[in-house]
Amino acid sequence: GAGVSQSPSNKVTEKGKDVELRCDPISGHTALYWYRQSLGQGLEFLIYFQGNSAPDKSGLPSDRFSAERTGGSVSTLTIQRTQQEDSAVYLCASSLAHVSPLHFGNGTRLTVT
Amino acid sequence: QKEVEQNSGPLSVPEGAIASLNCTYSDRGSQSFFWYRQYSGKSPELIMFIYSNGDKEDGRFTAQLNKASQYVSLLIRDSQPSDSATYLCAELNYQLIWGAGTKLIIKP
Repeated sequence: GAGVSQSPSNKVTEKGKDVELRCDPISGHTALYWYRQSLGQGLEFLIYFQGNSAPDKSGLPSDRFSAERTGGSVSTLTIQRTQQEDSAVYLCASSLAHVSPLHFGNGTRLTVT
Repeated sequence: QKEVEQNSGPLSVPEGAIASLNCTYSDRGSQSFFWYRQYSGKSPELIMFIYSNGDKEDGRFTAQLNKASQYVSLLIRDSQPSDSATYLCAELNYQLIWGAGTKLIIKP
């Protein structure tokens, strides 16, 4: 079956511009995570959606970052007024339930020039 | 603060040998444990998950969980060059906590 789909796969943007990253989770998966990974670094948690519960936004690094999940399915991560330090790979993952293993998308490589 | 600790490596193992990767965690309430493999430039992919104390085997991979000692291990038998990657462990209670990963190099 289809895995987690992320788009775009690559995004180059100028400093100060806004960007939107999209994640389409595996059908039926109630949990959705966003992570950020800089080159050679570990996974940095950003935000977690579980069903209809309020999202866990504790990992968002600043108020320039926001995310929503419409209809319990597709999620969009928005970064406003991008900065060079936002350059990283943004990974989305979904899982069937809270205690289930995560399945990752291929990521979006964001480069801010 | 809840933590998952892994030796960053690199861990160098000769081809055909057993690679042993270890992970310790601080949250005694953790219920689920996951091992992921991440090739350079790729996303993490699930290798094993384990919920109960003891061993769980899947092909060349064995996960070992010891809740009393708060560690989880991954053994890779008959290591192949294609096993060279970074291995991430994660534990889950109310939150999913990730280790920083161990870089494994299998030398032909």
